[in-house]
Formats: sequence, C-alpha cells, structure tokens
Amino acid sequence: EADIYQTPRYLVIGTGKKITLECSQTMGHDKMYWYQQDPGMELHLIHYSYGVNSTEKGDLSSESTVSRIRTEHFPLTLESARPSHTSQYLCASSDPGQGHTEAFFGQGTRLTVV
Amino acid sequence: AQSVTQLDSQVPVFEEAPVELRCNYSSSVSVYLFWYVQYPNQGLQLLLKYLSGSTLVKGINGFEAEFNKSQTSFHLRKPSVHISDTAEYFCAAIIQGAQKLVFGQGTRLTINP
Repeated sequence: EADIYQTPRYLVIGTGKKITLECSQTMGHDKMYWYQQDPGMELHLIHYSYGVNSTEKGDLSSESTVSRIRTEHFPLTLESARPSHTSQYLCASSDPGQGHTEAFFGQGTRLTVV
Repeated sequence: AQSVTQLDSQVPVFEEAPVELRCNYSSSVSVYLFWYVQYPNQGLQLLLKYLSGSTLVKGINGFEAEFNKSQTSFHLRKPSVHISDTAEYFCAAIIQGAQKLVFGQGTRLTINP
C-alpha cells in the first residue's frame, strides 16, 4: 500500500479565505504532482515538482501555488478561495527506481468553496 | 500534442458479463500506458501498465489490457465482472522522456446484479 497522505479529506470554506492542502509521502520519491479532478471525473495536472526547491506549472492554469521545501512534503495553497476552486485535488508521487512510470496517489481532498 | 481519449463516459454491464473499456492515444512516439481505478471517495490505484515487451498486459483484480500500436489503442478487458468492480477507470499515458502523466476523461463502470 502506498504511503502518501492528504489532509484534510474534506473542506468547506468561505469565499476569500486562504487555504493550504497538505500532501506528504514517506517513500522518498523525488517527483510529486497535484491534479485537479473535475466533477465530471477528468484529471488535470496543475503542478509538479522534480525535487526540493523545484516547482513547475502543469497543463491546467491554476491560481494555486505550491512549495517543496522538503522531499516528503508538497503543500498546495490558495491565497483567496473562490467558488470556482470547488473541486477534488489529488496529490501523487512517483518512484525514480521505476523510471517514474508508476504514480502513487493520495485519497484526495474534496474542496467546496461557498 | 499527446492526448488520451476514453471513448465511453459510462459503461453499464450485468454481473458476470465481460467488459471492455476503450482507450486511444494520439502520439507518433513511444509511450508508456496505464489504467488506474478509482473507487468512491478514494484516490487512484494502478491496475496495470504497459512499458514494453508483450502487448498483452495482465493486472490486478483479473483485468488485462492489450497494446495495439497500429490502432493506437490500449483497451481494458475483464472476462467476468463483479459488483465490486463498480468504479471509475482512467486510462493514462506518458511519452517516453516526458515528465507528465496525462489522463483520459474517465469511464464510469456500473455493474448491475
């Protein structure tokens, strides 16, 4: 079983609030990812990281930001939440020993902005 | 541009019937291909992957997929489904040398008793 954890699992928050979604993995993986999953199920890559101090934008433009100060930790922050940010956010990491060909996913954070 | 297309958004089948979930990719270079399953309120779990070698790949829970380069397809199959297979299924791809895992739109598999 993969050791990648996301907190909180569910979050309901008011418009304008600052939020941070946490993601941690204990597998020592260097690459980590954030995906946004629409209500219609499709997943879009919004951020990824090659390792400490590395952050890159994904395919879908996002107002969120990420940081990677430690290998195991890849938090995602929204400075001012809006209803359009309502979605499920999935964090993942990949194993360099497998050539990054397998990604392990957390259980997701379902965010609702009211 | 690389993309992954799942041709069916929903697939209803009866229990113990066979099922095929279709996936096509568009790329002129070699790719790695994957199928993931997502159970309700869960993250994604890898079912199987194709990196190279035999075009028929066997995965967990009795699923298998066949890589067809000429048709750029990677369809997922199971000869006899169970109620517990009810879930969302995602096809995904990485172009060799690229850095990103790209997903299809997903297929909701519903098993009826």
